[in-house]
Amino acid sequence: QTVVTQEPSFSVSPGGTVTLTCGLSSGSVSTSYYPSWYQQTPGQAPRTLIYSTNTRSSGVPDRFSGSILGNKAALTITGAQADDESDYYCVLYMGSGINWVFGGGTKLTVL
Amino acid sequence: QITLKESGPTLVKPTQTLTLTCTFSGFSLSTSGVGVGWIRQPPGKALEWLALIYWNDDKRYSPSLKSRLTITKDTSKNQVVLTMTNMDPVDTATYYCAHGTGATIDYWGQGTLVTVSS
Repeated sequence: QTVVTQEPSFSVSPGGTVTLTCGLSSGSVSTSYYPSWYQQTPGQAPRTLIYSTNTRSSGVPDRFSGSILGNKAALTITGAQADDESDYYCVLYMGSGINWVFGGGTKLTVL
Repeated sequence: QITLKESGPTLVKPTQTLTLTCTFSGFSLSTSGVGVGWIRQPPGKALEWLALIYWNDDKRYSPSLKSRLTITKDTSKNQVVLTMTNMDPVDTATYYCAHGTGATIDYWGQGTLVTVSS
């Protein structure tokens, strides 16, 4: 059973920088998993932020960036704003058969 | 502009079969590389991928739910249908359909809340 791990919660000060991570219960995350990141506010559908590790979706500000840090995928928010307060989910592509596995999400607080 | 919209019952009884329809526009499900999938989210919980169908009728299912799920497409109607058998209260969730390209989920529907209760 593949488990994708994320920090349950994180906080950042307005204007600050935060890095959320996405790992695997066993093994390392690489670009071969095409990690993607989604932002979700309460009552709303998820919004695609980043796909294929580091490609920003259309309309996403460049203060959101994706990367591989060590053995995990990472989402970095630079210059955090109040409306960045959301749940953030990563998804890894597992290839044939399973396709996608979601992480448990990170609740980001901006205060 | 790509849009997707889910439709189906808001309430089903335990043991019943759920049928959800995703109606989309702005793309064709006969285009190489394109897929439409389903993801759900129980209240207050994380997202969970359920199933995906590709342009070439290749179908993928979550291993934990594979025995209960069937996904089909009607390219002429721009629709994808998901059926889930033997519904249980733990299946209460918002169900989303989404457009996928290759390894990426990129566009999402607004979601539809399905409650399982007698």
